[in-house]
Amino acid sequence: QSALTQPASVSGSPGQSITISCTGTSSDVGGYNYVSWYQQHPGKAPKLMIYDVSNRPSGVSNRFSGSKSGNTASLTISGLQAEDEADYYCSSYTSSSTFCVFGGGTKLTVL
Amino acid sequence: QVQLVQSGAEVKKPGASVKVSCKASGYTFTSYDINWVRQATGQGLEWMGWMNPNSGNTGYAQKFQGRVTMTRNTSISTAYMELSSLRSEDTAVYYCARGALRFDPWGQGTLVTVSS
Repeated sequence: QSALTQPASVSGSPGQSITISCTGTSSDVGGYNYVSWYQQHPGKAPKLMIYDVSNRPSGVSNRFSGSKSGNTASLTISGLQAEDEADYYCSSYTSSSTFCVFGGGTKLTVL
Repeated sequence: QVQLVQSGAEVKKPGASVKVSCKASGYTFTSYDINWVRQATGQGLEWMGWMNPNSGNTGYAQKFQGRVTMTRNTSISTAYMELSSLRSEDTAVYYCARGALRFDPWGQGTLVTVSS
């Protein structure tokens, strides 16, 4: 069982927007602005898409955005494209001895 | 460009140890933490621990305490992760990743198979 809770799957049609949630506690997501999001295509290493809740690394499309409310962080992808189909993982700093925790991952299907 | 290149796949017997390497290039190795994350087939990501290549300081997830050791050789810009007392549940792809809390980039992954 993962420390952060994500929906197992989401789907959307090309051009639409989708949002993936990541729910934790006040010891991780809710207590710190250290939430990151990663995209992983099959057989590939994860790629950083969002860090510190809402910041995009250089080179990441502005169709990807992040936010947080309380103990839940969200990743929104606008203008869905076929290439966005992948698994997405959130992570957060945690004040527990683990230091860093991941969500269980969400499979995005572009219909 | 910034790159992390990991060692090749390993097959180990239960009870053995494995040591995976992660060679950094394109940046100053001692300026960024290295983290290790693993992923069992079809499963999610699991954080294992971090190391500061400058000081050698480490921090491990409680689950791996006593079984994992993270080290480095700064002369060749390489980080290592050694996992001991291997069991079948340790079969996974092991990744190294640069940074503290935001992991970028990641190595290509190293498949470790534990089988008798």
